[in-house]
Amino acid sequence: GQGVEQPDNLMSVEGTFARVNCTYSTSGFNGLSWYQQREGHAPVFLSYVVLDGLKDSGHFSTFLSRSNGYSYLLLTELQIKDSASYLCAVRMPNYNVLYFGSGTKLTVEP
Amino acid sequence: DSGVVQSPRHIIKEKGGRSVLTCIPISGHSNVVWYQQTLGKELKFLIQHYEKVERDKGFLPSRFSVQQFDDYHSEMNMSALELEDSAMYFCASSLDRGGVSDYTFGSGTRLLVI
Repeated sequence: GQGVEQPDNLMSVEGTFARVNCTYSTSGFNGLSWYQQREGHAPVFLSYVVLDGLKDSGHFSTFLSRSNGYSYLLLTELQIKDSASYLCAVRMPNYNVLYFGSGTKLTVEP
Repeated sequence: DSGVVQSPRHIIKEKGGRSVLTCIPISGHSNVVWYQQTLGKELKFLIQHYEKVERDKGFLPSRFSVQQFDDYHSEMNMSALELEDSAMYFCASSLDRGGVSDYTFGSGTRLLVI
């Protein structure tokens, strides 16, 4: 693997929230990006974090703890259309190549 | 289309055959990366070019070669195709190799080897 781990699946309910976890143990680190990917489509950039703490971007918020090799993506006020895979990717110091986790498939139920 | 353009969208090849995948990055983007994604698996880093020079190589099989041209478009030449090469191939581009510029992905090429 590429040293980035995510749970395979996550289910939540419309109107509530979901937290997508990501842990990493890569040889380098220059920040962490989150992408959304729908089946058969390209990943779409959501957020990039490089400093510890919570970054609030409205519908999506991201948290990073570099000392623990841990990040999460928090989706609030979930809608059915938020059902998708969420990919976490570590940016490597050398030319910012992204090392991806396998993604978490989020299912939002009514 | 102002995004990253990949062609072809779909292709079927026989085992042992050859194929060429093309990626046209966003205008002005000189950093181009290729990824392979098999069903349910992670995007696996294959290779990166910046300013027409190979900068980093990941899981690119020796049967494949990638080149970036003067206009920054990129071509992946695939030979001696194997069944396990069946996958989606994405390319992504960014403005530079550092800073906050993140990657924009193309729609991908679905390769099926039979």
